[in-house]
Amino acid sequence: GAGVSQSPSNKVTEKGKDVELRCDPISGHTALYWYRQSLGQGLEFLIYFQGNSAPDKSGLPSDRFSAERTGGSVSTLTIQRTQQEDSAVYLCASSFSSGNSNQPQHFGDGTRLSIL
Amino acid sequence: AQSVTQPDIHITVSEGASLELRCNYSYGATPYLFWYVQSPGQGLQLLLKYFSGDTLVQGIKGFEAEFKRSQSSFNLRKPSVHWSDAAEYFCAVGTSGGYNKLIFGAGTRLAVHP
Repeated sequence: GAGVSQSPSNKVTEKGKDVELRCDPISGHTALYWYRQSLGQGLEFLIYFQGNSAPDKSGLPSDRFSAERTGGSVSTLTIQRTQQEDSAVYLCASSFSSGNSNQPQHFGDGTRLSIL
Repeated sequence: AQSVTQPDIHITVSEGASLELRCNYSYGATPYLFWYVQSPGQGLQLLLKYFSGDTLVQGIKGFEAEFKRSQSSFNLRKPSVHWSDAAEYFCAVGTSGGYNKLIFGAGTRLAVHP
């Protein structure tokens, strides 16, 4: 079946602009995660959704970052007033959800964001 | 705090040689451990996972990993490397608490010489 789909695959924008990154998880996966992969910081957790709510948004680096999920499916990560340090690959992952945490995550190919 | 250390940033092996990638973790409880592989321009693909039970776990593409609690290690092995195994490999620990926030190591980039 279809995997996790992210769009756009590449985004180049000017400093100060807002950007929206989209993630379409695997059908039936209620858990959704956003991670950021950058040269200096490696792979970092940003936010976790269970259904439409985000019980853990501890990894969002600043209030310029926000995310939402609608219909228990598609999620959008929004970065306002982008800065050069926001340049990174943004990865989305989804999984089935259960009472424990042993459901492996399936990753999309990411959105490569470049801030000029 | 949870953390994952992958001591080797780059490793080069010859095709057909054996491979071991090291991973050490720091976690207070029984960890959920994962190895992922990332090819250029791609997302992360799960190679194998350890949750409980047998400490030697088998994964895809001929990889295996052994959980050693006494050493806080979860090293990845493959008996004979293929050129297509060249990629970056990430070890991760999953936090408990009803969901699976992954804490990743810095990654090991594997190059394979013909």
